[in-house]
Amino acid sequence: KQEVTQIPAALSVPEGENLVLNCSFTDSAIYNLQWFRQDPGKGLTSLLLIQSSQREQTSGRLNASLDKSSGRSTLYIAASQPGDSATYLCAPRGSGGGADGLTFGKGTHLIIQP
Amino acid sequence: DVKVTQSSRYLVKRTGEKVFLECVQDMDHENMFWYRQDPGLGLRLIYFSYDVKMKEKGDIPEGYSVSREKKERFSLILESASTNQTSMYLCASSLGPGIPYEQYFGPGTRLTVT
Repeated sequence: KQEVTQIPAALSVPEGENLVLNCSFTDSAIYNLQWFRQDPGKGLTSLLLIQSSQREQTSGRLNASLDKSSGRSTLYIAASQPGDSATYLCAPRGSGGGADGLTFGKGTHLIIQP
Repeated sequence: DVKVTQSSRYLVKRTGEKVFLECVQDMDHENMFWYRQDPGLGLRLIYFSYDVKMKEKGDIPEGYSVSREKKERFSLILESASTNQTSMYLCASSLGPGIPYEQYFGPGTRLTVT
Protein backbone atom coordinates (compact mmCIF):
# COMPACT_ATOMS: atom_id res chain seq x y z
CA LYS A 1 0.00 0.00 0.00
CA GLN A 2 1.27 3.43 -0.95
CA GLU A 3 2.49 5.60 1.92
CA VAL A 4 3.22 9.28 1.49
CA THR A 5 5.33 11.44 3.79
CA GLN A 6 5.63 15.19 3.62
CA ILE A 7 8.43 17.07 5.31
CA PRO A 8 8.35 19.46 7.02
CA ALA A 9 4.90 19.21 8.61
CA ALA A 10 4.93 22.95 9.23
CA LEU A 11 7.03 25.86 8.03
CA SER A 12 7.04 29.57 8.82
CA VAL A 13 9.26 31.91 6.81
CA PRO A 14 9.49 35.64 6.05
CA GLU A 15 8.04 36.97 2.85
CA GLY A 16 10.33 36.85 -0.18
CA GLU A 17 12.16 33.62 0.62
CA ASN A 18 12.43 30.74 -1.79
CA LEU A 19 11.37 27.46 -0.24
CA VAL A 20 11.18 23.75 -0.91
CA LEU A 21 8.51 21.35 0.25
CA ASN A 22 9.34 17.66 0.19
CA CYS A 23 7.21 14.61 -0.57
CA SER A 24 8.32 10.98 -0.49
CA PHE A 25 6.32 7.89 -1.41
CA THR A 26 6.98 4.18 -0.98
CA ASP A 27 5.61 2.70 -4.23
CA SER A 28 7.36 4.12 -7.28
CA ALA A 29 4.88 2.54 -9.75
CA ILE A 30 2.87 5.72 -10.26
CA TYR A 31 1.08 7.28 -13.22
CA ASN A 32 1.60 10.83 -12.03
CA LEU A 33 1.73 13.01 -8.96
CA GLN A 34 -0.45 15.95 -8.13
CA TRP A 35 0.30 18.88 -5.82
CA PHE A 36 -2.63 20.62 -4.14
CA ARG A 37 -3.16 23.69 -2.03
CA GLN A 38 -5.78 23.84 0.71
CA ASP A 39 -6.84 27.02 2.47
CA PRO A 40 -8.34 26.66 5.97
CA GLY A 41 -11.84 25.17 5.91
CA LYS A 42 -11.84 24.93 2.14
CA GLY A 43 -11.51 22.28 -0.55
CA LEU A 44 -8.35 21.40 -2.46
CA THR A 45 -7.07 23.39 -5.41
CA SER A 46 -4.90 21.58 -7.93
CA LEU A 47 -1.55 23.34 -8.46
CA LEU A 48 0.48 21.04 -10.66
CA LEU A 49 0.20 17.60 -12.20
CA ILE A 50 3.49 15.96 -13.11
CA GLN A 51 3.49 12.81 -15.23
CA SER A 52 5.68 9.83 -14.36
CA SER A 53 7.68 10.43 -17.55
CA GLN A 54 8.39 14.06 -16.63
CA ARG A 55 11.13 15.44 -14.42
CA GLU A 56 9.67 18.89 -13.85
CA GLN A 57 6.52 20.92 -14.23
CA THR A 58 6.23 24.69 -13.79
CA SER A 59 3.38 27.09 -13.17
CA GLY A 60 4.27 30.70 -12.41
CA ARG A 61 6.37 30.81 -9.22
CA LEU A 62 5.83 27.10 -8.60
CA ASN A 63 8.06 24.32 -9.84
CA ALA A 64 7.49 20.64 -9.09
CA SER A 65 10.10 17.98 -9.68
CA LEU A 66 9.70 14.23 -9.68
CA ASP A 67 12.26 11.48 -9.16
CA LYS A 68 10.07 8.43 -9.57
CA SER A 69 12.79 5.83 -9.04
CA SER A 70 13.69 7.22 -5.65
CA GLY A 71 10.09 7.97 -4.70
CA ARG A 72 10.50 11.71 -4.21
CA SER A 73 8.92 14.94 -5.36
CA THR A 74 9.63 18.52 -4.38
CA LEU A 75 7.58 21.68 -4.73
CA TYR A 76 9.67 24.81 -5.09
CA ILE A 77 8.03 28.16 -4.35
CA ALA A 78 9.95 31.21 -5.53
CA ALA A 79 9.73 34.63 -3.91
CA SER A 80 7.09 33.60 -1.37
CA GLN A 81 4.18 35.92 -0.57
CA PRO A 82 1.71 36.04 2.36
CA GLY A 83 -0.98 34.81 -0.04
CA ASP A 84 0.97 31.56 -0.38
CA SER A 85 0.07 30.69 3.22
CA ALA A 86 -1.88 27.43 3.09
CA THR A 87 -1.46 23.69 3.50
CA TYR A 88 0.23 21.96 0.57
CA LEU A 89 -0.51 18.31 -0.15
CA CYS A 90 1.13 15.92 -2.54
CA ALA A 91 -0.67 12.90 -3.94
CA PRO A 92 0.84 10.22 -6.15
CA ARG A 93 -1.54 8.22 -8.32
CA GLY A 94 -0.75 4.51 -8.43
CA SER A 95 -0.79 2.30 -11.52
CA GLY A 96 -1.88 -0.82 -9.74
CA GLY A 97 -5.40 -2.06 -9.27
CA GLY A 98 -7.73 -0.96 -6.54
CA ALA A 99 -9.03 2.48 -5.81
CA ASP A 100 -7.49 4.38 -8.73
CA GLY A 101 -7.73 7.35 -6.49
CA LEU A 102 -4.93 9.37 -5.07
CA THR A 103 -2.95 8.64 -1.91
CA PHE A 104 -2.45 11.85 0.02
CA GLY A 105 0.29 13.01 2.30
CA LYS A 106 -0.73 14.82 5.47
CA GLY A 107 0.54 18.08 4.09
CA THR A 108 2.93 20.88 4.90
CA HIS A 109 1.31 23.80 6.72
CA LEU A 110 3.02 26.91 5.35
CA ILE A 111 2.92 30.38 6.89
CA ILE A 112 4.53 33.32 5.08
CA GLN A 113 5.13 36.21 7.44
CA PRO A 114 4.59 39.70 5.97
CA ASP B 1 -13.22 25.76 -15.70
CA VAL B 2 -14.25 22.55 -14.02
CA LYS B 3 -16.74 23.12 -11.29
CA VAL B 4 -17.50 20.67 -8.51
CA THR B 5 -20.22 21.75 -6.13
CA GLN B 6 -21.37 20.26 -2.85
CA SER B 7 -24.87 20.79 -1.52
CA SER B 8 -23.90 22.20 1.87
CA ARG B 9 -20.84 23.88 3.37
CA TYR B 10 -21.90 23.15 6.94
CA LEU B 11 -24.30 20.53 8.27
CA VAL B 12 -25.33 19.57 11.79
CA LYS B 13 -27.17 16.29 12.32
CA ARG B 14 -28.20 14.15 15.26
CA THR B 15 -26.97 10.66 16.00
CA GLY B 16 -29.02 8.06 14.16
CA GLU B 17 -30.24 10.38 11.41
CA LYS B 18 -29.89 9.43 7.75
CA VAL B 19 -27.67 11.98 6.05
CA PHE B 20 -27.29 12.74 2.35
CA LEU B 21 -24.30 14.64 0.97
CA GLU B 22 -24.66 15.67 -2.65
CA CYS B 23 -21.94 16.39 -5.17
CA VAL B 24 -22.40 17.67 -8.72
CA GLN B 25 -19.78 18.24 -11.43
CA ASP B 26 -20.38 20.07 -14.69
CA MET B 27 -17.58 18.73 -16.93
CA ASP B 28 -18.94 15.35 -17.99
CA HIS B 29 -16.30 13.56 -15.91
CA GLU B 30 -16.43 9.79 -15.69
CA ASN B 31 -14.85 9.41 -12.25
CA MET B 32 -16.14 10.74 -8.97
CA PHE B 33 -14.77 10.29 -5.46
CA TRP B 34 -15.75 10.87 -1.84
CA TYR B 35 -13.08 11.52 0.79
CA ARG B 36 -13.14 12.47 4.42
CA GLN B 37 -10.46 14.62 6.01
CA ASP B 38 -9.56 14.53 9.69
CA PRO B 39 -6.76 16.25 11.60
CA GLY B 40 -3.71 14.02 11.85
CA LEU B 41 -5.18 11.42 9.49
CA GLY B 42 -5.24 13.36 6.25
CA LEU B 43 -7.60 12.53 3.40
CA ARG B 44 -9.02 9.04 3.19
CA LEU B 45 -11.02 7.60 0.31
CA ILE B 46 -14.51 6.41 1.22
CA TYR B 47 -16.05 5.42 -2.13
CA PHE B 48 -15.53 6.11 -5.79
CA SER B 49 -17.35 5.58 -9.05
CA TYR B 50 -16.07 5.08 -12.59
CA ASP B 51 -19.43 5.39 -14.29
CA VAL B 52 -23.13 5.71 -13.73
CA LYS B 53 -24.49 2.98 -11.48
CA MET B 54 -20.94 1.84 -10.70
CA LYS B 55 -19.41 2.13 -7.26
CA GLU B 56 -16.31 0.81 -5.59
CA LYS B 57 -15.27 0.80 -1.96
CA GLY B 58 -12.32 2.88 -0.94
CA ASP B 59 -10.25 2.54 2.19
CA ILE B 60 -12.93 3.33 4.80
CA PRO B 61 -16.41 2.47 3.44
CA GLU B 62 -17.91 1.22 6.71
CA GLY B 63 -20.98 3.18 7.73
CA TYR B 64 -21.37 4.80 4.31
CA SER B 65 -23.06 4.05 1.02
CA VAL B 66 -23.19 5.92 -2.28
CA SER B 67 -25.50 6.49 -5.20
CA ARG B 68 -24.76 7.51 -8.77
CA GLU B 69 -27.93 7.60 -10.82
CA LYS B 70 -26.69 10.32 -13.19
CA LYS B 71 -23.19 10.93 -14.49
CA GLU B 72 -22.91 14.41 -12.98
CA ARG B 73 -24.16 13.55 -9.49
CA PHE B 74 -22.57 11.40 -6.79
CA SER B 75 -24.23 11.15 -3.40
CA LEU B 76 -22.74 9.96 -0.13
CA ILE B 77 -25.20 8.47 2.36
CA LEU B 78 -24.71 8.00 6.07
CA GLU B 79 -27.37 5.42 6.89
CA SER B 80 -27.32 6.12 10.63
CA ALA B 81 -25.03 8.99 11.54
CA SER B 82 -22.67 8.55 14.45
CA THR B 83 -20.45 11.03 16.27
CA ASN B 84 -17.30 9.44 14.81
CA GLN B 85 -18.51 10.53 11.38
CA THR B 86 -18.04 14.17 12.32
CA SER B 87 -15.57 15.30 9.70
CA MET B 88 -14.88 17.37 6.60
CA TYR B 89 -16.20 15.57 3.51
CA LEU B 90 -14.68 16.32 0.13
CA CYS B 91 -15.98 15.30 -3.27
CA ALA B 92 -13.77 15.14 -6.36
CA SER B 93 -14.09 14.30 -10.03
CA SER B 94 -11.74 13.48 -12.88
CA LEU B 95 -12.00 12.89 -16.61
CA GLY B 96 -11.57 9.12 -16.74
CA PRO B 97 -9.29 6.13 -16.32
CA GLY B 98 -6.37 5.58 -18.64
CA ILE B 99 -5.95 9.30 -19.18
CA PRO B 100 -3.40 11.49 -17.37
CA TYR B 101 -6.15 13.35 -15.58
CA GLU B 102 -6.29 15.72 -12.66
CA GLN B 103 -8.70 15.46 -9.79
CA TYR B 104 -10.83 18.51 -9.13
CA PHE B 105 -12.29 19.05 -5.69
CA GLY B 106 -15.42 20.66 -4.37
CA PRO B 107 -15.41 23.16 -1.48
CA GLY B 108 -16.15 20.53 1.17
CA THR B 109 -18.95 19.89 3.63
CA ARG B 110 -18.16 20.13 7.31
CA LEU B 111 -20.49 17.68 9.03
CA THR B 112 -21.05 17.69 12.77
CA VAL B 113 -22.98 14.81 14.33
CA THR B 114 -24.22 15.50 17.85
